[in-house]
Amino acid sequence: EAQVTQNPRYLITVTGKKLTVTCSQNMNHEYMSWYRQDPGLGLRQIYYSMNVEVTDKGDVPEGYKVSRKEKRNFPLILESPSPNQTSLYFCASSPWDGVYEQYFGPGTRLTVT
Amino acid sequence: GQSLEQPSEVTAVEGAIVQINCTYQTSGFYGLSWYQQHDGGAPTFLSYNALDGLEETGRFSSFLSRSDSYGYLLLQELQMKDSASYFCAVRASEKGSQGNLIFGKGTKLSVKP
Repeated sequence: EAQVTQNPRYLITVTGKKLTVTCSQNMNHEYMSWYRQDPGLGLRQIYYSMNVEVTDKGDVPEGYKVSRKEKRNFPLILESPSPNQTSLYFCASSPWDGVYEQYFGPGTRLTVT
Repeated sequence: GQSLEQPSEVTAVEGAIVQINCTYQTSGFYGLSWYQQHDGGAPTFLSYNALDGLEETGRFSSFLSRSDSYGYLLLQELQMKDSASYFCAVRASEKGSQGNLIFGKGTKLSVKP
């Protein structure tokens, strides 16, 4: 089944404890992206990757890191999480340049205390 | 800056037609996408307009007017399952940011019996 998977789906952590949210897609897509969703703010792009080893900042990249060493994986790294990073995170992929049709993962609900 | 405006909430009755508008302000334009998100779920792609005019997919249609920087999503024969949030999205076009996707804050559609 073609899909985007994220792990973990739920995470409660403490301020400053490094964490990684994994994202993997099995559709051979070039484009991958991370978003956060907060009430009243919609979806905001954190980072995106047009292809392997090519990443770029979205609108809210502060406090996050990403890497794209393989086509299928695009992990999101929070080196020192803070409470303002409590949010719902979505990973997405697209077979093209990312605009037309994005396939979203199920989401990761992160709480930082 | 770049921004998209859409109504925050819309209410309609089952069987009716509803139109969700989206106006955008961007320095360049590659096309307008629409996504649907049910509560607790991930966004799913609905439609994409790169050129002016109407695109129809079953009960859903999407319209774009590039000269007016305006688009809308039209939902016909509303069903209870159409109750969801709807997001419009555009891609930034400045050099070096071609993968940057910007979403509106979303329109929550409530369908009443």
